[in-house]
Amino acid sequence: AQSVAQPEDQVNVAEGNPLTVKCTYSVSGNPYLFWYVQYPNRGLQFLLKYITGDNLVKGSYGFEAEFNKSQTSFHLKKPSALVSDSALYFCAVRDTWGGNNRLAFGKGNQVVVIP
Amino acid sequence: GAGVSQSPSNKVTEKGKDVELRCDPISGHTALYWYRQSLGQGLEFLIYFQGNSAPDKSGLPSDRFSAERTGESVSTLTIQRTQQEDSAVYLCASSLVETGLREQYFGPGTRLTVT
Repeated sequence: AQSVAQPEDQVNVAEGNPLTVKCTYSVSGNPYLFWYVQYPNRGLQFLLKYITGDNLVKGSYGFEAEFNKSQTSFHLKKPSALVSDSALYFCAVRDTWGGNNRLAFGKGNQVVVIP
Repeated sequence: GAGVSQSPSNKVTEKGKDVELRCDPISGHTALYWYRQSLGQGLEFLIYFQGNSAPDKSGLPSDRFSAERTGESVSTLTIQRTQQEDSAVYLCASSLVETGLREQYFGPGTRLTVT
């Protein structure tokens, strides 16, 4: 079964500094990978996805993520964090093997951008 | 266009009562998902509907949980004889034809509190 690990509960970063949110995954086949963001009292919003092709994926709000097959990672990055980026970030993976329709989410990372 | 909507936004119920949660997906989205979000636990998959296919119920935590979907529209999640551990935010998501490539669009959730 597919799974995702987001090793850090909370990430603190100063405004203007680079932001990295870590994600590693486990699948039997090839992965489809997603990042979602959840602002307070809101539903999850899609940020970006990796399906195939270029390992560097660009998404909404200046975020990008790099797929690294050898390290089974899909870390989310933003070159210069904004206070408004403070939110809960979820990594998710779907396994292409076995006809599984399920998307497995990590526990989420709370990002706090300090002014 | 309209996004995924859920009702009620908040529900407080007494232990042992039944509750019904509603989800209106985005028009034209054939895939519909229910998740449960508990504090510090990330998103837990509950059930998945795809068109007229049999739903994937493998995530339902007990036989007190059930869900229905009318065609490709409204879905209801029913929890019978609620317990305090059922307290959580219940999220609904929908996506276009499910190939695993499409991102899911989430509703704002229903916050369920069992007293």
